[in-house]
Amino acid sequence: AQKVTQAQTEISVVEKEDVTLDCVYETRDTTYYLFWYKQPPSGELVFLIRRNSFDEQNEISGRYSWNFQKSTSSFNFTITASQVVDSAVYFCALSVEAGNMLTFGGGTRLMVKP
Amino acid sequence: DAMVIQNPRYQVTQFGKPVTLSCSQTLNHNVMYWYQQKSSQAPKLLFHYYDKDFNNEADTPDNFQSRRPNTSFCFLDIRSPGLGDAAMYLCATSRARFGYEQYFGPGTRLTVT
Repeated sequence: AQKVTQAQTEISVVEKEDVTLDCVYETRDTTYYLFWYKQPPSGELVFLIRRNSFDEQNEISGRYSWNFQKSTSSFNFTITASQVVDSAVYFCALSVEAGNMLTFGGGTRLMVKP
Repeated sequence: DAMVIQNPRYQVTQFGKPVTLSCSQTLNHNVMYWYQQKSSQAPKLLFHYYDKDFNNEADTPDNFQSRRPNTSFCFLDIRSPGLGDAAMYLCATSRARFGYEQYFGPGTRLTVT
């Protein structure tokens, strides 16, 4: 069975601080995909990134960066110089071929205060 | 620009009165999903269509049904809504079931009175 754990249920930072959202996953499959989604107060989940299990390269997109480490089964997400618009719930998710579906973590609510 | 559209955005229904939520997509994706999301929880998959093939999750109540008349549209029918069915209902699409990201609509918030 698959499992995704986001240990931080809520994080509060002040604007311009850097913040890292943790994601730890469990699976016995060797082929899998990891995702991050953002859910702002409006409710729509917005896709941020997809990473497959064979690609451990870190990725940077503007102020966002992702650190994938198979050795620790982690796929952490860092926001640099946070902004108020980053306030949202962030979900990490896992997809394995056998199950086909997304297994979501419990989400981390990020509050960025001005 | 809208890719996954859900109507209505807010729906109020009475206890036991059937309700239908709709979803349409302009992405021409093969897979369409329906999720239920309650406050402070992760989305919970109810079922999905891979093309015309319907796939129900084991723990989805019989009260929930779905129809996909064509590639673009998918409907969620709740036959006899209970107070516990009040939630946000999210529709999503993806190109295939494995290895591709899902694109979500804005959701329909259902209130049961």
